[in-house]
Amino acid sequence: DIQMTQSPSSLSASVGDRVTITCRASQSISSYLNWYQQKPGKAPKLLIYAASSLQSGVPSRFSGSGSGTDFTLTISSLQPEDFATYYCQQSYSTLVTFGQGTKLEIK
Amino acid sequence: EVQLVESGGVVVQPGGSLRLSCAASGFTFDDYTMHWVRQAPGKGLEWVSLISWDGGSTYYADSVKGRFTISRDNSKNSLYLQMNSLRTEDTALYYCAKDNTADSREFDYWGQGTLVTVSS
Repeated sequence: DIQMTQSPSSLSASVGDRVTITCRASQSISSYLNWYQQKPGKAPKLLIYAASSLQSGVPSRFSGSGSGTDFTLTISSLQPEDFATYYCQQSYSTLVTFGQGTKLEIK
Repeated sequence: EVQLVESGGVVVQPGGSLRLSCAASGFTFDDYTMHWVRQAPGKGLEWVSLISWDGGSTYYADSVKGRFTISRDNSKNSLYLQMNSLRTEDTALYYCAKDNTADSREFDYWGQGTLVTVSS
């Protein structure tokens, strides 16, 4: 199976900050990388698909980049509603795998 | 509006069986591969299984292979997960999720989840 490793596991930031979360795959996955946001008690929400495509309805402050094994999710200016847990997920393999998550907390 | 509504989660003893259901609406169900994803309490997301649009192809995570069976009834717009030989480590919130585009394995809609607790 393809292992997905996110860093950091947790992050404290302030409203207005620029934040970057990284995700590394154990083998090349081309651009088959997706990002989700999950708030407590809610289902995950697709933010970015195919490494850099913004899902419909997602604010433009979210962006994704990378290919091969290294990927990033960037939030350009944190808003109060962005404090949540973020997961990367590879869709290269039929056996989908997720990263362990990055919890973004208010500083 | 796309809706996915899971049901069937209960408390069950180790070794027991359970069938989860997911009722879909608001999209052409038989156009899409469907998935089950689970989340243990306080933990991350774990993909469990997928089924192709016609039910002809199924895949499972190693952790559930041989114990769980995914199926669908396109005439009823419904997805199922038969869970046998349940273990305490199967305790989780089980979500059904839909592919963003055909066979993309990008999950654009999720249900609210149904809780399975395996405990004696």
